[in-house]
Order: sequence, then structure tokens, then C-alpha cells
Amino acid sequence: DAGVIQSPRHEVTEMGQEVTLRCKPISGHDYLFWYRQTMMRGLELLIYFNNNVPIDDSGMPEDRFSAKMPNASFSTLKIQPSEPRDSAVYFCASSLAGKIYEQYFGPGTRLTVT
Amino acid sequence: AQSVTQLGSHVSVSEGALVLLRCNYSSSVPPYLFWYVQYPNQGLQLLLKYTTGATLVKGINGFEAEFKKSETSFHLTKPSAHMSDAAEYFCAVSNGAAGNKLTFGGGTRVLVKP
Repeated sequence: DAGVIQSPRHEVTEMGQEVTLRCKPISGHDYLFWYRQTMMRGLELLIYFNNNVPIDDSGMPEDRFSAKMPNASFSTLKIQPSEPRDSAVYFCASSLAGKIYEQYFGPGTRLTVT
Repeated sequence: AQSVTQLGSHVSVSEGALVLLRCNYSSSVPPYLFWYVQYPNQGLQLLLKYTTGATLVKGINGFEAEFKKSETSFHLTKPSAHMSDAAEYFCAVSNGAAGNKLTFGGGTRVLVKP
């Protein structure tokens, strides 16, 4: 079983550039979550989807962040333009309906914005 | 609203000694409670969960936790630490409603000394 797949694993970019993070959830999972982890703020939920529909995006920090889920097997998190304070590890997770709390996390994308 | 407080951001234990990680929660309804573990450079994985029923729950790798409603606590223990237990541990709460999200604590990093 492949697990949640994220790409790239590491991304270094300059301030002002567009960054796109990608996620492939576990096949058959109904929910997909995007989290951000930093030393200062810990683990924060940014947005989550149910059956490809965004349910709660209240954690998205500002309009520079956007997320899409065009189909059940793919999601993107985009930051445009990026800023140094966006540097963090971004995790994608997925879960089954009825067990939303039993989330399976991907390995994360470490983003550095210089 | 729900919240989680983990006492101690860092814990150091000797190999073979008891591991005790403290977690207190706040929830307006009966909570579902979880412990997740994050090994270096990896995503989080579910260690154990409490939803209903027996208040002492056992998880993987010899860990267990006890739900104490009167103390609003869900402390994690392991009788004998192993070097492989070095990781960061996150307590999380959900109110159990279908579609609700997890709220994570700040995490406790465990160092195991030989």
C-alpha cells in the first residue's frame, strides 16, 4: 500500500515566487487535509476536503494561499507570492469517512523561502 | 471549541525507564482523544485512540493511555523506554461529530538516553 504521497520533498525558492505543493491521498479515502508545521506555531490545519469539495478553509493564512482538489487522487496547495514566513513543513493527510480522526500523513514537503 | 495542552515540550528519559507524557484537553462535548507520533523527517502516525468504551487504551509499540474524564486528561505511558521511542508525540482531540477535524497539542519531544 503506497500511503500518502507528497512532492516535492524539499523546495527552496525566492521570495515572490509561486510555489505548488502536491499530494496524492490513499486510494479510497474520502477526506484530505493540508497542515503546516513550524517551530513557533506547531501543527496547524490549513484546509480540508471531503469528496474533493473544500469543507473548512478557515486555517488558510491569507489570500496568497489556495488549495484545489480536481479529483479524488490529487490535490495541490499553492502559495503566490511566497514570503520567508511561509517557510515550514507542509503535510498532507487523508482519511476515510466515519474515521476522519484516523488520519494518514504523508512525509511532508519542507519549504524554504529565502 | 476544543483545545489540547501538552505539559512539557521536551522530556528526557533513560532507556528502560518509564515514559509519561501529559495531555489535558478541553471540549464542550464528550471527546475523542488521540496520540500521534512523529519520527524524524516523517509524517505523523496514529499511536492510539479513545472513542468510547474502555478508558484504558493500548496502542502500538507498548504505549497505552488512560482517559480520565474527571481530570480532563489523556496521559500517555510506556513502562520501559527504548531508544527507538525517540520522537515527537502529539495529543489530539476531536468532538466526535462526523466531519469534524482534529485539534493538536503543541507536541512533546522525547529524548531517550542510553
